[in-house]
Amino acid sequence: DVKVTQSSRYLVKRTGEKVFLECVQDMDHENMFWYRQDPGLGLRLIYFSYDVKMKEKGDIPEGYSVSREKKERFSLILESASTNQTSMYLCASSSNPGQFEEKLFFGSGTQLSVL
Amino acid sequence: AQSVSQHNHHVILSEAASLELGCNYSYGGTVNLFWYVQYPGQHLQLLLKYFSGDPLVKGIKGFEAEFIKSKFSFNLRKPSVQWSDTAEYFCAVKNTGFQKLVFGTGTRLLVSP
Repeated sequence: DVKVTQSSRYLVKRTGEKVFLECVQDMDHENMFWYRQDPGLGLRLIYFSYDVKMKEKGDIPEGYSVSREKKERFSLILESASTNQTSMYLCASSSNPGQFEEKLFFGSGTQLSVL
Repeated sequence: AQSVSQHNHHVILSEAASLELGCNYSYGGTVNLFWYVQYPGQHLQLLLKYFSGDPLVKGIKGFEAEFIKSKFSFNLRKPSVQWSDTAEYFCAVKNTGFQKLVFGTGTRLLVSP
């Protein structure tokens, strides 16, 4: 089975801190994604990457950046955390490079609280 | 831009009742359609998908969905729900040629035994 592993299940940070969320997938997928999930808003795409060192902005990239130095790892960075970034963050990878996002495999999520 | 509407935010059913969850998208053209499910405490997983061909698609655990192009809809159905179907269900749409998958806001289903 494909495994998408997020480094932390729960994280509490203070306003202004720099926050790193790590995601690793073990199936050699080209495509990786970061979403945030908020009640009543569903999943919103922050950034995605279709290759090492490549990145594309999603729908809500403001306040975030990403890094993909290795194929299996995709990091989400909050440069200066703010309270409105309190959310569940989901990492995903996709199975078919030819069919972009044909099927997403999700991690368990990181619940980030910014105080 | 593509948007997805799930009109039912919360649904409560008794076991053995029939289920239909609505999903409508805004932008036409050739689309790929998905339903994802998140069981309590578990990660999101694919329930079923439509790419082409028969508009009635069958997924895991007895779920099915029908793509009606004229109505921009992809409703999820199950004839008889079980307590174990309690979960949050997300509809998602991707326009062919675009890279982003757009999710709806989700429907929380509670099935009482």
